[in-house]
Amino acid sequence: SQQGEEDPQALSIQEGENATMNCSYKTSINNLQWYRQNSGRGLVHLILIRSNEREKHSGRLRVTLDTSKKSSSLLITASRAADTASYFCATERTGANSKLTFGKGITLSVRP
Amino acid sequence: EADIYQTPRYLVIGTGKKITLECSQTMGHDKMYWYQQDPGMELHLIHYSYGVNSTEKGDLSSESTVSRIRTEHFPLTLESARPSHTSQYLCASSEYERGGADTQYFGPGTRLTVL
Repeated sequence: SQQGEEDPQALSIQEGENATMNCSYKTSINNLQWYRQNSGRGLVHLILIRSNEREKHSGRLRVTLDTSKKSSSLLITASRAADTASYFCATERTGANSKLTFGKGITLSVRP
Repeated sequence: EADIYQTPRYLVIGTGKKITLECSQTMGHDKMYWYQQDPGMELHLIHYSYGVNSTEKGDLSSESTVSRIRTEHFPLTLESARPSHTSQYLCASSEYERGGADTQYFGPGTRLTVL
């Protein structure tokens, strides 16, 4: 079973609108990370939030973490066509030498 | 852009061939990973290494093998490729940040097609 599951699976919005993507997970974590993948490319790290944090900002990105609900959300404000990509949440579980577990990803399309 | 490189970017080969996918990084990271990703789907960890002469199998069983003789180099080998090996292979590296977070840096990937 997956550790991280994103919701929705696909999202299509107009340029300038905000995009909200959600991620749920199952076990205790050290941190949760969001990555972006452009078509046919590798993943790029966007933002990391630790288990003792509730909200972080980076430019147009805002991520929240609710450890009681085991969920996170990524908000992209004022979206641009260049934000079109797949977005993955990844969780680092508690425990020594834990590895990242990635979800299936959300496909975001931003229409110009 | 991360300093992690993969070659070739695209490879089309026939069944039964032996292939090696190259991955190298210039960041001095101890940890390196190989993921398999089918189109539009999640990443599956197939191999990882925490340093020279250290290799482990990941969550997804794979017929491939890896080696880690130098810190910067983590090649993946398929002794006899089959059509079921057709996929995108992503290499990544990381080092622990202060506080223990494992942020990974990815190469551009190798798209493998086995005919």
